[in-house]
Formats: sequence, structure tokens, C-alpha cells
Amino acid sequence: EAEVAQSPRYKITEKSQAVAFWCDPISGHATLYWYRQILGQGPELLVQFQDESVVDDSQLPKDRFSAERLKGVDSTLKIQPAELGDSAMYLCASSKVGLVYNEQFFGPGTRLTVL
Amino acid sequence: GIQVEQSPPDLILQEGANSTLRCNFSDSVNNLQWFHQNPWGQLINLFYIPSGTKQNGRLSATTVATERYSLLYISSSQTTDSGVYFCAVADYGQNFVFGPGTRLSVLP
Repeated sequence: EAEVAQSPRYKITEKSQAVAFWCDPISGHATLYWYRQILGQGPELLVQFQDESVVDDSQLPKDRFSAERLKGVDSTLKIQPAELGDSAMYLCASSKVGLVYNEQFFGPGTRLTVL
Repeated sequence: GIQVEQSPPDLILQEGANSTLRCNFSDSVNNLQWFHQNPWGQLINLFYIPSGTKQNGRLSATTVATERYSLLYISSSQTTDSGVYFCAVADYGQNFVFGPGTRLSVLP
């Protein structure tokens, strides 16, 4: 069964360091999402891609966060420099293109701890 | 943007009991999903249900889009049903918003 892949699963870093997360969506899924989930809360959308183009990055803290999906397949989310408040679960999801049917499927997530 | 509320925030059940979780949303949507987040953080798809009723084993869901709510029913609950249940909705711009979740604990 096709799945969304993410790596690493866990990351511990010190504040002011740079971190990067990778996501490989389900084959054929043109839409890719990055979410951040703080402990005890629901996921919050950071950025949405349609193929290689950013559709929505209104909640992405652009002073320190960046995201790219150069070939319209896999994607990287980067934080530089990391801050203590960035400790959270980072989730990637993908879905097929479609205005009528748009079911999201999630990867296992990357749990980030900033010390 | 769309606001999503879920109730109750916490629920404790004895194994074998039934429960109903509710999701209210503030505007018209064309996408609604229910997820179960397991203790390892993985979000498991339960239902894609922008309208109507669906059933999958002991779980069923109903969305009444005109009244802006969805219900998730869990019957004969098991300890493995424990975790957090999220409702997520999207408007016609496909901007997804998650609710705060319902934390379910099923006791043996």
C-alpha cells in the first residue's frame, strides 16, 4: 500500500542550528502539505504545494522557515535558525489533484526537539 | 477563515461502551475528514465524508453539511481505540483547518 514517507523520524538540535525535514508523497499525488503540530493541539498548515508551486504559505514563518518542492515530487522543509518554540511534530501529507475529491494521507511525522 | 470546534475535549470510557464525537464548523466546506492519531503521532484516516453517512466496522460517521456539523460514532469501544480524534475541514480553496481534537481513553 502506498504511503507518505518522512525522514528523519526524530531530530534533536540546539537552538540557532539549522534543521531539515524530507517528505516523499504518495506516487501520483500532486498536492503536498506541511503541517506543524504542537503538543496537545491540532495540526496547523504551514505550506501547501500544487506540483512545484506554492499554493498557500500564509502561516509559514518566512524569516526562518523555507520549503521547496523543486521537481514537483519530494519536498524539503528547513528551519534556520531553530528556536526553542519550534519543538513540535512536523507532518507531511499528500493528496490527488481535484476540487471534488481531495482526501489527505499523512506520513509518520518528524518529532523535533530544540534544546 | 473557517473555525472548527470539537466536543467533548476529553472522554473516558469503559471497554465495550459506545460514544459520539462531534465536530462543528463555521462555514461551508467541500472536504471533511476524520482522523485517529495513535500514541506514536501517526494520523490514521478514518473517513472522508464531506456529506452523508459512512460505516466501517464499529465506526460510522455522519456529516450534515447544511447544518455545519459532523458526528463520529464508535460502538463497542476497545482499548486500541484510545488516542486523539481529529476532524479536519477544507473550504473550496482547499485550505485545511483541523479542530482541537477529542482525547479518548478506553479503560479495560
